Amino acid sequence: AQRVTQPEKLLSVFKGAPVELKCNYSYSGSPELFWYVQYSRQRLQLLLRHISRESIKGFTADLNKGETSFHLKKPFAQEEDSAMYYCALSSFSLQGAQKLVFGQGTRLTINP
Amino acid sequence: SQTIHQWPATLVQPVGSPLSLECTVEGTSNPNLYWYRQAAGRGLQLLFYSVGIGQISSEVPQNLSASRPQDRQFILSSKKLLLSDSGFYLCAWRTPGQSYEQYFGPGTRLTVT
Repeated sequence: AQRVTQPEKLLSVFKGAPVELKCNYSYSGSPELFWYVQYSRQRLQLLLRHISRESIKGFTADLNKGETSFHLKKPFAQEEDSAMYYCALSSFSLQGAQKLVFGQGTRLTINP
Repeated sequence: SQTIHQWPATLVQPVGSPLSLECTVEGTSNPNLYWYRQAAGRGLQLLFYSVGIGQISSEVPQNLSASRPQDRQFILSSKKLLLSDSGFYLCAWRTPGQSYEQYFGPGTRLTVT
């Protein structure tokens, strides 16, 4: 069964400190993983995708197949990083529709 | 440009009443459409998805149903609401074969009393 686990519901760090939001997954095939973010009063939006291997807003995430993890990291947190973060695992239906399985989400608060 | 709308933004309904939430997408054709729910203390759960008019797939057994009467319209319904139907409902769309990203609407906060 496909499953995504984000063990921390809440995470609070000080501005300038490193941030790591944990995500572990369970999937029998080759996983495609994403991080979505929802800032206050904004819509849920894609932050980054593991295949692109990009750094978005200073965040990076590396897929570790051995540990089945896709942790989100940023070396120096900024106050504007405060948001709800969701890790998501993608699969496709027989009709070709992408289906996302989301973790429970981690609310990140950056303290000044 | 593409946009997605959901209404109403908030809704308070008594147990046993019917429900109809609407989602429309503009600026794209033949999108994949999705309904998600976020219940208190839980993550986003995929409820329904659709690859075309009249084509609905359900991911979890529940008290809700979905319909797609037009290409860019997706409706979530219930004949009789339960307390457990309370939550935050999100509609999303994706262009099949062209984008890996799903685009989410603003959501509807449903409270069943």
